Amino acid sequence: QKEVEQDPGPLSVPEGAIVSLNCTYSNSAFQYFMWYRQYSRKGPELLMYTYSSGNKEDGRFTAQVDKSSKYISLFIRDSQPSDSATYLCAMSPGTYKYIFGTGTRLKVLA
Amino acid sequence: GAVVSQHPSRVICKSGTSVKIECRSLDFQATTMFWYRQFPKQSLMLMATSNEGSKATYEQGVEKDKFLINHASLTLSTLTVTSAHPEDSSFYICSAREGTGELFFGEGSRLTVL
Repeated sequence: QKEVEQDPGPLSVPEGAIVSLNCTYSNSAFQYFMWYRQYSRKGPELLMYTYSSGNKEDGRFTAQVDKSSKYISLFIRDSQPSDSATYLCAMSPGTYKYIFGTGTRLKVLA
Repeated sequence: GAVVSQHPSRVICKSGTSVKIECRSLDFQATTMFWYRQFPKQSLMLMATSNEGSKATYEQGVEKDKFLINHASLTLSTLTVTSAHPEDSSFYICSAREGTGELFFGEGSRLTVL
């Protein structure tokens, strides 16, 4: 079993839809959770960084962490074609180790 | 967010030559940087962890003599692909760990070996 599981997609949604991206994990030692957006042929861009259960909001993005269920989510409201990218979740136990999901490819249709 | 600069963004070289890629944290000090390789439509593959002032820690299967990593200062790490061959052609990405634990990535370097 992988430490971090992420559905690779692709996920296609119409413009304006609410997008839900998810990752599950098995290691209860993970304390820090991140979401990245990666456009083709570019490095990943940090969108959200959280370290506690609950919700964190930044503009159209909301990160949700449920440590009891070992489940994290990223919600994108009012999705735009420019949101089309691969979204990676990442987790860390607080050391210098980071585990990444395989990424979910998202396509927002105009 | 913090900025990590990676240079060059694209490089084409002949087989047998060496190529150096630089990774700089522009507005923070990074005691730890990471180097990844990414194949098309695949996730990041960690190659090595670079610590300032000490030897890099390589992941299993990564040839340390082939991929030389130097982290000479708190803001600069370099990856040198020595005696490059076509199979080394790939997208190489660095990241730098900020003091809070956040991880910031460079823009990536596309290496093509002819």
